[in-house]
Amino acid sequence: QQQVRQSPQSLTVWEGETAILNCSYEDSTFDYFPWYWQFPRESPALLIAIRPVSNKKEDGRFTIFFNKREKKLSLHITDSQPGDSATYFCAASAAQVVGQLTFGRGTRLQVYA
Amino acid sequence: NAGVIQTPRHKVTGKGQEATLWCEPISGHSAVFWYRQTIVQGLEFLTYFRNQAPIDDSGMPKERFSAQMPNQSHSTLKIQSTQPQDSAVYLCASSSRDNNERLFFGHGTKLSVL
Repeated sequence: QQQVRQSPQSLTVWEGETAILNCSYEDSTFDYFPWYWQFPRESPALLIAIRPVSNKKEDGRFTIFFNKREKKLSLHITDSQPGDSATYFCAASAAQVVGQLTFGRGTRLQVYA
Repeated sequence: NAGVIQTPRHKVTGKGQEATLWCEPISGHSAVFWYRQTIVQGLEFLTYFRNQAPIDDSGMPKERFSAQMPNQSHSTLKIQSTQPQDSAVYLCASSSRDNNERLFFGHGTKLSVL
């Protein structure tokens, strides 16, 4: 059973639009939720992260919305740019070891100019 | 800061051969993690060390896979009797004690088992 699920599998938006990437999880002990992005032929890199004490985390054009009751979160990318084209991974971990992550399968985002 | 260094970048082995993958974490980082990435399974946690001590290897296949961290400057992942299903990109990551929430990944070793 997949502990972290992401949708859609792929997403295409035009430059300037808002891209919405969804994530849900099963394990109630998860309490740290980072998003990593990965460009082709590169390794994953931390983009933004949230803990359940907050229901929103913003960093520039990137915002995480978190719903603890429904075990769902989403990443919103406003004013999408072609340089945002990458695969986005939602991940989760329990408090004890935040680096021991369970990753979703990823959403491949393509932003067209 | 050269980042996390993994060698080799690519390794091709024949079925049944041994493969050893190397990782040099960022200097001063206290935790080292190994992950595996495939198209089918995605990113999977394998094992991690903190201050060189093995902490959790729950993601490691019980047979043929082993990991060590003999000193603070490098870790190895060894796969004995490699099988085609071991083909993957093996990623090493490290994190610091002061900011253990951020993993810094290396570029990975692409293992191809023929």
